[in-house]
Amino acid sequence: DQQVKQNSPSLSVQEGRISILNCDYTNSMFDYFLWYKKYPAEGPTFLISISSIKDKNEDGRFTVFLNKSAKHLSLHIVPSQPGDSAVYFCAASPNNAGNMLTFGGGTRLMVKP
Amino acid sequence: ETGVTQTPRHLVMGMTNKKSLKCEQHLGHNAMYWYKQSAKKPLELMFVYNFKEQTENNSVPSRFSPECPNSSHLFLHLHTLQPEDSALYLCASSQVFTGLGGYTFGSGTRLTVV
Repeated sequence: DQQVKQNSPSLSVQEGRISILNCDYTNSMFDYFLWYKKYPAEGPTFLISISSIKDKNEDGRFTVFLNKSAKHLSLHIVPSQPGDSAVYFCAASPNNAGNMLTFGGGTRLMVKP
Repeated sequence: ETGVTQTPRHLVMGMTNKKSLKCEQHLGHNAMYWYKQSAKKPLELMFVYNFKEQTENNSVPSRFSPECPNSSHLFLHLHTLQPEDSALYLCASSQVFTGLGGYTFGSGTRLTVV
């Protein structure tokens, strides 16, 4: 049973527009939520994170929103650039499990010039 | 070198072979991990080592045998694998209480079992 789900396997967006990637989770014990970005033939790289005490965290073009009541988080990329084309994974961990991250299945984002 | 380095990048092995994957980190982290990424599946946690001690074995078959001789090195010994074990094997490291910091991943070893 997947505790972290990314229901959209792929997303295509025009350059300059907003990309919205979604993630749902089932474990109410999750306290930390992270997004990773993965290019082909490379390992995932950390992008942005948020703790459960916040509902929004922003870093440049990237903003993560957390809706705890809905057990839903989203990553917004504005404006989208062709270099953002990659697979995006959301991940979560409980506060009492230190370093145990559970990952979603990933969403492939394609930004068209 | 910095970051997390995995070798080899690609490996093709027969079902009767024995091979090892190597991971090395120079970030001063005290936790290391093996993940498996199969096609169209989420990243699956295999093993966790905190302070060189194995703290998690996520029901991994015994044909995969991890070894962590020190906090900077992690190995995955492979023997009598099956074709369905073909996947990308990712190593990662972090501080034990990583919180919002997350992991640092290596580039992975693409394993093909023939």
